[in-house]
Amino acid sequence: EAQVTQNPRYLITVTGKKLTVTCSQNMNHEYMSWYRQDPGLGLRQIYYSMNVEVTDKGDVPEGYKVSRKEKRNFPLILESPSPNQTSLYFCASSPRRDLNTEAFFGQGTRLTVV
Amino acid sequence: AQSVTQPDIHITVSEGASLELRCNYSYGATPYLFWYVQSPGQGLQLLLKYFSGDTLVQGIKGFEAEFKRSQSSFNLRKPSVHWSDAAEYFCAVGARGSYIPTFGRGTSLIVHP
Repeated sequence: EAQVTQNPRYLITVTGKKLTVTCSQNMNHEYMSWYRQDPGLGLRQIYYSMNVEVTDKGDVPEGYKVSRKEKRNFPLILESPSPNQTSLYFCASSPRRDLNTEAFFGQGTRLTVV
Repeated sequence: AQSVTQPDIHITVSEGASLELRCNYSYGATPYLFWYVQSPGQGLQLLLKYFSGDTLVQGIKGFEAEFKRSQSSFNLRKPSVHWSDAAEYFCAVGARGSYIPTFGRGTSLIVHP
């Protein structure tokens, strides 16, 4: 089954404790992206990747890192989480650029930083 | 850069009533347009999309949307709402040449029995 898988689904952590949220897709998509969803703000893009070893900042990259060492994986790293990073996070993937495509989304990771 | 506005934060309808969710976009050329639905505790599911051609687009679950270039709008409609349609709905616009969509803030649909 074609899917985007995020782990964990729920995470509660303390301020400053490094964490990683994993994202994996099995559709051989070149493009992957991370969003955070906050009430009244919709989805805002954090980082995106156009291919292996190619990443770029989205609209709200501060406090986050990503890596794309393999095509299928695109982990989101919070080196020193803060309470304002409490949010619902979505990973998305999409096939090649310039085609009539849409993004496929994971189930989401609800992160709480206390 | 493209942008999208969903002017209604909440919409309440009775089951069986018709529905229209508004979406306005800003983009210099013809955009890619999408509607996604997010059920409670779930990820986003694509309802429908517009890339070119017929401006009335049919989607899943009985939804349709109409692209109106003159009004920069892409409103989502359903003739008869079911209780299971209660969810958050997101309009998104994508620039041609880029897969990265920009999302609106979402409209929460409440369905009364």
